Amino acid sequence: DIQMTQSSSSFSVSLGDRVTITCKASEDIYNRLAWYQQKPGNAPRLLISGATSLETGVPSRFSGSGSGKDYTLSITSLQTEDVGTYYCQQYWSNPWTFGGGTKLEIK
Amino acid sequence: EVHLQESGPSLVKPSQTLSLTCSVTGDSITSGYWNWIRKFPGNKLEYMGYISYSGSTYYNPSLKSRISITRDTSKNQYYLQLNSVTTEDTATYYCVRSLHGRGFAYWGQGTLVTVSA
Repeated sequence: DIQMTQSSSSFSVSLGDRVTITCKASEDIYNRLAWYQQKPGNAPRLLISGATSLETGVPSRFSGSGSGKDYTLSITSLQTEDVGTYYCQQYWSNPWTFGGGTKLEIK
Repeated sequence: EVHLQESGPSLVKPSQTLSLTCSVTGDSITSGYWNWIRKFPGNKLEYMGYISYSGSTYYNPSLKSRISITRDTSKNQYYLQLNSVTTEDTATYYCVRSLHGRGFAYWGQGTLVTVSA
């Protein structure tokens, strides 16, 4: 199985900050990388697919980048509603696998 | 709009079978891929498997021979069976529609299943 590692499990940020969440795959996943946001009590929401493509309705302050094994989710100017846990997921090779999640909290 | 809804028992005894139903509206399960994903306490997400538009299935090898995903196209429902459960199977179970090349696009609200005597 491909292992997905998110380096930070949680961190506190201030409103308006730029946030960067990283995700590393154990092998090349050829940009078959999705990012999800999960708020307490809700199901995960697909934010980005194909490493960089923003899903319809997702605010433009979210963006994705990366290639090969290394990928990044960025949030410019963090808003209150961005609090939650973010997961990366590879869909290059079955079984599809998720990172352990990065929880964002407001300072 | 695609809507998925899980249903089934919230409590299952160890060694018994966990059975869940996913009811789909706004789309047909005879197109695309229909998945089960679970989230353990502590937030780990695990992909369990899918049933495809044609009825073919894929299961995560970690679940070995314990899992079965079936469907009833007349009801537009698909099902999860997980046999010989243990307390380690306690999780929130989600039914999810994936889109080719885009990951898991549509999720049910999830249902918490606790395995306990």
